[in-house]
Amino acid sequence: EAQVTQNPRYLITVTGKKLTVTCSQNMNHEYMSWYRQDPGLGLRQIYYSMNVEVTDKGDVPEGYKVSRKEKRNFPLILESPSPNQTSLYFCASSSTTGMGDTQYFGPGTRLTVL
Amino acid sequence: GQQVMQIPQYQHVQEGEDFTTYCNSSTTLSNIQWYKQRPGGHPVFLIQLVKSGEVKKQKRLTFQFGEAKKNSSLHITATQTTDVGTYFCAGTSGTYKYIFGTGTRLKVLA
Repeated sequence: EAQVTQNPRYLITVTGKKLTVTCSQNMNHEYMSWYRQDPGLGLRQIYYSMNVEVTDKGDVPEGYKVSRKEKRNFPLILESPSPNQTSLYFCASSSTTGMGDTQYFGPGTRLTVL
Repeated sequence: GQQVMQIPQYQHVQEGEDFTTYCNSSTTLSNIQWYKQRPGGHPVFLIQLVKSGEVKKQKRLTFQFGEAKKNSSLHITATQTTDVGTYFCAGTSGTYKYIFGTGTRLKVLA
């Protein structure tokens, strides 16, 4: 089954404790992306990747890091989480370069930073 | 920076009534996509519009892309309870960055 998986689905952590949210897709998609969703603000793009070792900033990259060492994986790293990073995070992937192609979203990771 | 505004923010309709949500971009878009997110779920792709003035239909859903490629609308005819959710538009402007609208939350009263 074609899918995007994220782990963990729920996470409560404390300020400053490094964490990684994993994202994996089994559709051989070149393009992957991370979004955060906050009430009243919709989805905002954090980082995206057009292929292995190619990443770029979205609209809200501050406080986040990403890496793309393998085509299927695109982890999101919070080196020193802060309470304003409490949010619902979605990973997405699409074929071609992602510009104008269907994005498939993962189930989401709800992160709370205390 | 580029912004995509979506209105209304909320809409409650009686089952059987029509519903429309509008997206307006501050810049010309290369394309626009529409997504639906059920409560507690993730966004699911509905459709993509690319051409100026394009109109596409999916059963009771009609999607339009404005002539200037700066606005779009989604119209649902005769809503059903299964239409409940939040509808988002998302556009790109010749880059690989997606800008999402703030979403319209639709509630359908049976």
